[in-house]
Amino acid sequence: AQSVTQPDIHITVSEGASLELRCNYSYGATPYLFWYVQSPGQGLQLLLKYFSGDTLVQGIKGFEAEFKRSQSSFNLRKPSVHWSDAAEYFCAVGGRENTGFQKLVFGTGTRLLVSP
Amino acid sequence: DVKVTQSSRYLVKRTGEKVFLECVQDMDHENMFWYRQDPGLGLRLIYFSYDVKMKEKGDIPEGYSVSREKKERFSLILESASTNQTSMYLCAITAAGPAYNEQFFGPGTRLTVL
Repeated sequence: AQSVTQPDIHITVSEGASLELRCNYSYGATPYLFWYVQSPGQGLQLLLKYFSGDTLVQGIKGFEAEFKRSQSSFNLRKPSVHWSDAAEYFCAVGGRENTGFQKLVFGTGTRLLVSP
Repeated sequence: DVKVTQSSRYLVKRTGEKVFLECVQDMDHENMFWYRQDPGLGLRLIYFSYDVKMKEKGDIPEGYSVSREKKERFSLILESASTNQTSMYLCAITAAGPAYNEQFFGPGTRLTVL
């Protein structure tokens, strides 16, 4: 069965500093990997996704993530954090069930706090 | 712009009440999903639907049912609400096709059961 682990519940980063959020997944086949962001009181918005090709993926808002198959990881990075990046971040792994239907499994989320 | 709307942002109900949460999309997407979101547990799939009148159980369907009579509308029903169903409920949609298609989310309904 698919699973996703986000080991950090909270992370605090100073504004302007770099950021890395960790994500490890378990999936039997080639995974489709996603990072979503949820701002307070909002639904989830897709930041980026990996499904094939270049293992370094660029997303919106200056985020990027690197797929490392050997480490079963898909860590999210940003070189310089802005106060508006304070939000909750979810990693998800997707695939096609035996029934043929798409399904996403989400991690438990990492809450990012940005200090002045 | 994709639009996924949910009928209420906040809802307060009493134990034992029947509760309807509605999700409406304007994208003509085939797949619709209901998740619940709880602190420390992330998002968990309750039910999904891949076509009108078609549904599949997700990971935590107990205590819930769903209805999809029209393609654009997917309802989550709590037959007899209980306090452990207090949660944030999120609706999502995606087009049929590759499993890496993006899921688009609504703003969520925060349900409190007293």
